Amino acid sequence: DQQVKQNSPSLSVQEGRISILNCDYTNSMFDYFLWYKKYPAEGPTFLISISSIKDKNEDGRFTVFLNKSAKHLSLHIVPSQPGDSAVYFCAARYNFNKFYFGSGTKLNVKP
Amino acid sequence: KAGVTQTPRYLIKTRGQQVTLSCSPISGHRSVSWYQQTPGQGLQFLFEYFSETQRNKGNFPGRFSGRQFSNSRSEMNVSTLELGDSALYLCASSSGQGGPAYEQYFGPGTRLTVT
Repeated sequence: DQQVKQNSPSLSVQEGRISILNCDYTNSMFDYFLWYKKYPAEGPTFLISISSIKDKNEDGRFTVFLNKSAKHLSLHIVPSQPGDSAVYFCAARYNFNKFYFGSGTKLNVKP
Repeated sequence: KAGVTQTPRYLIKTRGQQVTLSCSPISGHRSVSWYQQTPGQGLQFLFEYFSETQRNKGNFPGRFSGRQFSNSRSEMNVSTLELGDSALYLCASSSGQGGPAYEQYFGPGTRLTVT
């Protein structure tokens, strides 16, 4: 039962350009959405979140957009840097502290 | 502030055996969640413990169990190991109180290989 889906397993972007990572969900009861970044041999690290009552949240180079009618969220990274190369997971929170994660998108930022 | 620690980092077990993994959360955090990460499946939620009580549970068989101690440290146990249990097991700690800027802090994981 995949309630959160990341349909692109990988994305390659040139340094300085925009990276757009996408995520779809099915459960309208999710109250928070989060993005995590994961490097090999490390646990995921929190990047940015958005409440279900908002449609945009920005933090430096990272912006998350939420489209509730389409049940879709996206993470924009502008400008992309080689150090952003990692696996990005989107996650959705349900029932106070239960999280559903997508399968991840591997971002490669080329110098 | 020390991060989330997990022990052991790597483990090799044989089918049919059982295994116990340990997680020490960030000091002051009362919630510990466990996840299984396999290629192509992402992170799958196992369960969450808050103040020594299981508060949330994922869709895993009863072979997967856990507990939390009074100091918030948590253990996860898998009995009668199967080949499909080979995965990276991650634990995450948080205050558990929710709120507008919610986030979890993950440990580095325990890589379990079942042969």
